[in-house]
Amino acid sequence: TQLLEQSPQFLSIQEGENLTVYCNSSSVFSSLQWYRQEPGEGPVLLVTVVTGGEVKKLKRLTFQFGDARKDSSLHITAAQPGDTGLYLCAGDVMGSGYALNFGKGTSLLVTP
Amino acid sequence: DTGVSQNPRHKITKRGQNVTFRCDPISEHNRLYWYRQTLGQGPEFLTYFQNEAQLEKSRLLSDRFSAERPKGSFSTLEIQRTEQGDSAMYLCASSFIAANYGYTFGSGTRLTVV
Repeated sequence: TQLLEQSPQFLSIQEGENLTVYCNSSSVFSSLQWYRQEPGEGPVLLVTVVTGGEVKKLKRLTFQFGDARKDSSLHITAAQPGDTGLYLCAGDVMGSGYALNFGKGTSLLVTP
Repeated sequence: DTGVSQNPRHKITKRGQNVTFRCDPISEHNRLYWYRQTLGQGPEFLTYFQNEAQLEKSRLLSDRFSAERPKGSFSTLEIQRTEQGDSAMYLCASSFIAANYGYTFGSGTRLTVV
């Protein structure tokens, strides 16, 4: 059973469109992070959210942490081909103390 | 500091052979993690070290897998008697103690067992 469920699994859109990716769990997390991974490379950290209800913006990317600290979303405005990649959410379950658990990821393709 | 370095980037081995991967973390980071990633999946936690101490190893996939971090610097992950199912990307990451600082990952070692 996957601790973090991401949806959708695949997303193919055209340049300029908006999109939202979701990350859900039944567990409560101390923090939740979003990473972006390109083929053949390791994941790269985009953002960490720590407080329930927190919203963080990174240029055209908006990240939200759910009030109950069990879910998160990533919204991309006016997607560009350079946004193409695998988006992974990861969290450390409250009280576990050590490792991040990752979702399966959302594979995003943005075509010109 | 140039980030987390992993070697080799690619490894092809015959079934039954032993392989060893190396990870050099960011020097200021206290923790070092090993993950495995197969196609279509997110990274799967294997083990981690805080300085030289291996604090969690129950998630290593079998007794064929072992990891070391002598003197709290670089780390090695060894797989003995490789099987085709071991084919995957092996990722190393390092971080400060608090998980909410985020991980810095290396580029990974792609293992192919033939």
